[in-house]
Amino acid sequence: TQLLEQSPQFLSIQEGENLTVYCNSSSVFSSLQWYRQEPGEGPVLLVTVVTGGEVKKLKRLTFQFGDARKDSSLHITAAQPGDTGLYLCAGNYGQNFVFGPGTRLSVLP
Amino acid sequence: NAGVTQTPKFQVLKTGQSMTLQCAQDMNHEYMSWYRQDPGMGLRLIHYSVGAGITDQGEVPNGYNVSRSTTEDFPLRLLSAAPSQTSVYFCASGRALLGGYEQYFGPGTRLTVT
Repeated sequence: TQLLEQSPQFLSIQEGENLTVYCNSSSVFSSLQWYRQEPGEGPVLLVTVVTGGEVKKLKRLTFQFGDARKDSSLHITAAQPGDTGLYLCAGNYGQNFVFGPGTRLSVLP
Repeated sequence: NAGVTQTPKFQVLKTGQSMTLQCAQDMNHEYMSWYRQDPGMGLRLIHYSVGAGITDQGEVPNGYNVSRSTTEDFPLRLLSAAPSQTSVYFCASGRALLGGYEQYFGPGTRLTVT
């Protein structure tokens, strides 16, 4: 059974701070996606990483895929209240997906 | 493009009733899937399809049926609703990538079974 763990589970920070959230597994994935979900809405795709060691940047967000394709991190620089939400990672293996439980981020003004 | 659309947005059923959750996509994606999201459990895959006429089970398929007669539509059927099926249901469509897929989600259907 493929499992994904995310840490921390909850994070509350002040506007302007930096943060990193983690997504870990003992399994290898062909790709990994990060999503942000707001209350009452569906997850919105932020990024897909495919190659081990890959780093992708999306404005203030930096995503990294581990060399062994088992883990990933999301770093946010100078967090803003608009970054508040549930951050989900999802591992893809063939035709299947497994989701982590999420990191709930709150950025206070 | 509307992306992935789901109807209804909210539904209340009595135990034993049946219903179909509708899902449609206009991105011409071959891959489509259904998830349920429960507090503390994350998103769990119910069924998926890699093309018209092809479906397969995910992690939690019991109590649900699917069919895929067209590329655009992927309905989820609850045959005899149970309180344990109270959840938020998300449909997604997937773009093929090297070795896998990248998914895009609909807005969800919140289902309550009493």
